[in-house]
Amino acid sequence: KAGVTQTPRYLIKTRGQQVTLSCSPISGHRSVSWYQQTPGQGLQFLFEYFSETQRNKGNFPGRFSGRQFSNSRSEMNVSTLELGDSALYLCASSDLGDNYGYTFGSGTRLTVV
Amino acid sequence: AQSVTQPDIHITVSEGASLELRCNYSYGATPYLFWYVQSPGQGLQLLLKYFSGDTLVQGIKGFEAEFKRSQSSFNLRKPSVHWSDAAEYFCAVGAQAGTALIFGKGTTLSVSS
Repeated sequence: KAGVTQTPRYLIKTRGQQVTLSCSPISGHRSVSWYQQTPGQGLQFLFEYFSETQRNKGNFPGRFSGRQFSNSRSEMNVSTLELGDSALYLCASSDLGDNYGYTFGSGTRLTVV
Repeated sequence: AQSVTQPDIHITVSEGASLELRCNYSYGATPYLFWYVQSPGQGLQLLLKYFSGDTLVQGIKGFEAEFKRSQSSFNLRKPSVHWSDAAEYFCAVGAQAGTALIFGKGTTLSVSS
């Protein structure tokens, strides 16, 4: 069973630009969550999607957005990038069944210069 | 407020010695508890989880954790550490499936020979 796939693995962007990150969940998993990991703030929840609907959202500005497609693949977008957006962005998928637990991808390392 | 505390930022253990990583949580609802491990530049790998039932749970790689409701703790243990266990370990708590996970700041484990 293939794991959670995140693309790209590394990204360098300039302040003010926008970026789109992609996440393909494990086949059959309908819930996809996104987390931001930084040395200072640690792991912080961005949002969670289930069946193309955002069900939960963390405390991030509106520049951070996401969506989920009918095949459960998800994208997150960050507009007007700031230096502080440099982080490892992790995607996690879950089947939300009795054996639920989130499986994380390897992440996208975003560097804003 | 909901939170997870991992009191030890960094621990060094001799190879073959036992290990215990501490985790305390504050959570209003019935907690779902997790331990994840992260190697440098990688995503998070689930070691074990607790939802209900037997308070001693077994995970992968020889790890186990014990849930103690009275102490709001979920400590991770391993009887004999291997050099390959050197990594960062995260404790996390969540509510029902699909909600945000709240992570601790992590404990970095170093293994000395």
